[in-house]
Amino acid sequence: DADVTQTPRNRITKTGKRIMLECSQTKGHDRMYWYRQDPGLGLRLIYYSFDVKDINKGEISDGYSVSRQAQAKFSLSLESAIPNQTALYFCATSDTRDRTTDTQYFGPGTRLTVL
Amino acid sequence: AQKITQTQPGMFVQEKEAVTLDCTYDTSDQSYGLFWYKQPSSGEMIFLIYQGSYDEQNATEGRYSLNFQKARKSANLVISASQLGDSAMYFCAMRGGLYSGSARQLTFGSGTQLTVLP
Repeated sequence: DADVTQTPRNRITKTGKRIMLECSQTKGHDRMYWYRQDPGLGLRLIYYSFDVKDINKGEISDGYSVSRQAQAKFSLSLESAIPNQTALYFCATSDTRDRTTDTQYFGPGTRLTVL
Repeated sequence: AQKITQTQPGMFVQEKEAVTLDCTYDTSDQSYGLFWYKQPSSGEMIFLIYQGSYDEQNATEGRYSLNFQKARKSANLVISASQLGDSAMYFCAMRGGLYSGSARQLTFGSGTQLTVLP
């Protein structure tokens, strides 16, 4: 089984709809992240959380919100989806105990299309 | 602010040959980390290799090595003995020092699409 899972893997929705993307991990990591990837671009950070009580905005948080329900679960919500939020969304995790590299490990991605 | 530049949108290499993917970076941090990720057509992001700014040796992981030239601010990925399965998008990324504010995110380049020819 994958260490970092994302649901759904693909989603098509309409403008104005609320949508939630979910991420869960079995790696035992405390840090979790949400990124988006647009065609031809690298990934950009939306939100990150270093533990259940810690939520921080990233580079492009406008139009998004998150919830850290447990150490292993981190969800991303689009309150009112718009077409320019069409993108590939990635969840990632890292471990505070990895004090040398702090490598982030990514889930398989969710492809979201907003019509 | 951190910045990653990958100047090769696409590269071709013959199977079994070596290829170098370029990455230059800019940061004001003294301590930082550099990463390479592979993204196959299926879309997932796969961690390949890490280089710390204070590491004296170039990082190696199997057929992957990182040619780290700190003075030139470059961190090129070298893939030896290319295989058809190496065809993918490759991203260079960096984070700041573990105790700096910029440690909280990875900054990515725009990627290089590598195609391995049979």
